[in-house]
Amino acid sequence: KAGVTQTPRYLIKTRGQQVTLSCSPISGHRSVSWYQQTPGQGLQFLFEYFSETQRNKGNFPGRFSGRQFSNSRSEMNVSTLELGDSALYLCASSQTRPTLWYEQYFGPGTRLTVT
Amino acid sequence: EDQVTQSPEALRLQEGESSSLNCSYTVSGLRGLFWYRQDPGKGPEFLFTLYSAGEEKEKERLKATLTKKESFLHITAPKPEDSATYLCAVQATSGSRLTFGEGTQLTVNP
Repeated sequence: KAGVTQTPRYLIKTRGQQVTLSCSPISGHRSVSWYQQTPGQGLQFLFEYFSETQRNKGNFPGRFSGRQFSNSRSEMNVSTLELGDSALYLCASSQTRPTLWYEQYFGPGTRLTVT
Repeated sequence: EDQVTQSPEALRLQEGESSSLNCSYTVSGLRGLFWYRQDPGKGPEFLFTLYSAGEEKEKERLKATLTKKESFLHITAPKPEDSATYLCAVQATSGSRLTFGEGTQLTVNP
């Protein structure tokens, strides 16, 4: 079974621009979560989507947004990029069956550099 | 607010030298505690889920245990390929988000 895939793997943007990152979950997984990883803050939760609805949101400004499509694929968007947005953005998916609901499997991440 | 603290920040071992990594947590109702391994430039790789105090799980040279306040990841006779950053995370009963610790960077020298 294929794992979580994320595109693109690397991205360089300029301050003020916007960016869209994509995530395809493991087949059959309907929940997708996004995390930001930086050397100073570690892994921090951005938001979670299930059945095209945002179920949970972390403490990030409104410049960070996301959505989920009917095939469970998800995108996250960052508008008006700041230097501090440079990070590894990770997507994780999980199943919906009760005994396996809570295990999240991560993709390889998208490395975003803002200059 | 849920909190996770991992220690030590970095650990250097000789091949075959067993040791333990610590994960202390505070959470308003624990749904599960998770251990992940992360190699440089890659996403975290799922290792274990622990749900209740007293639970133990093993995988090859790794064994994870859980108490009401902390979890340990025991590494028995490690090999150089065990070198990685080990991350601990908790999930509260109130939601699905994972709260991560800063990780322990493990280096195993041959």
